Amino acid sequence: ETGVTQSPTHLIKTRGQQVTLRCSSQSGHNTVSWYQQALGQGPQFIFQYYREEENGRGNFPPRFSGLQFPNYSSELNVNALELDDSALYLCASSSLTGRGYGYTFGSGTRLTVV
Amino acid sequence: AQSVTQLDSHVSVSEGTPVLLRCNYSSSYSPSLFWYVQHPNKGLQLLLKYTSAATLVKGINGFEAEFKKSETSFHLTKPSAHMSDAAEYFCVVTFLTGANNLFFGTGTRLTVIP
Repeated sequence: ETGVTQSPTHLIKTRGQQVTLRCSSQSGHNTVSWYQQALGQGPQFIFQYYREEENGRGNFPPRFSGLQFPNYSSELNVNALELDDSALYLCASSSLTGRGYGYTFGSGTRLTVV
Repeated sequence: AQSVTQLDSHVSVSEGTPVLLRCNYSSSYSPSLFWYVQHPNKGLQLLLKYTSAATLVKGINGFEAEFKKSETSFHLTKPSAHMSDAAEYFCVVTFLTGANNLFFGTGTRLTVIP
């Protein structure tokens, strides 16, 4: 059983640019959630995708957007990057039917905005 | 509103002594509670979970936690600390409704002194 894989592992972007982060969910999981973890803080929920539809969203502006594909992999897109977007972005997959029972996290993508 | 409070930002123990990491939650619904561990530059690993079954939950690596509804607490314990336990620990709550996103505490950094 494969886990959650994220790419790239590290990324440096310039303020105002756009970025796409990718996540492959664990086998058998149909739900993907994205979290932002700023330095020294706990992860904050960005949004969740289930069956290619957004299934919930945290307190993040619309320039944070996402996609889920038929194979349940997912992308996180951030437009008009700001310095405060510098963080570790974590992807977690789960089975919606077993929600609350298992969230598998990837190792994250560390984004630095300069 | 749902929230999690980790009472200590940093805990330091000697190797071989007990570990206690404190967590209190606030919830209007029946929660599921988790403890995750994050080693430096790594993703999040699930230590244990409470999902309305037994109130004393055993996890990996000798950790356990007790759900106390009357105290709204879910403290993490381990009888004897090991050097490899040094990491950041997050108490997490979720609810089996809606997007069931995870609400993270701010984390407790555990240092183990040889």
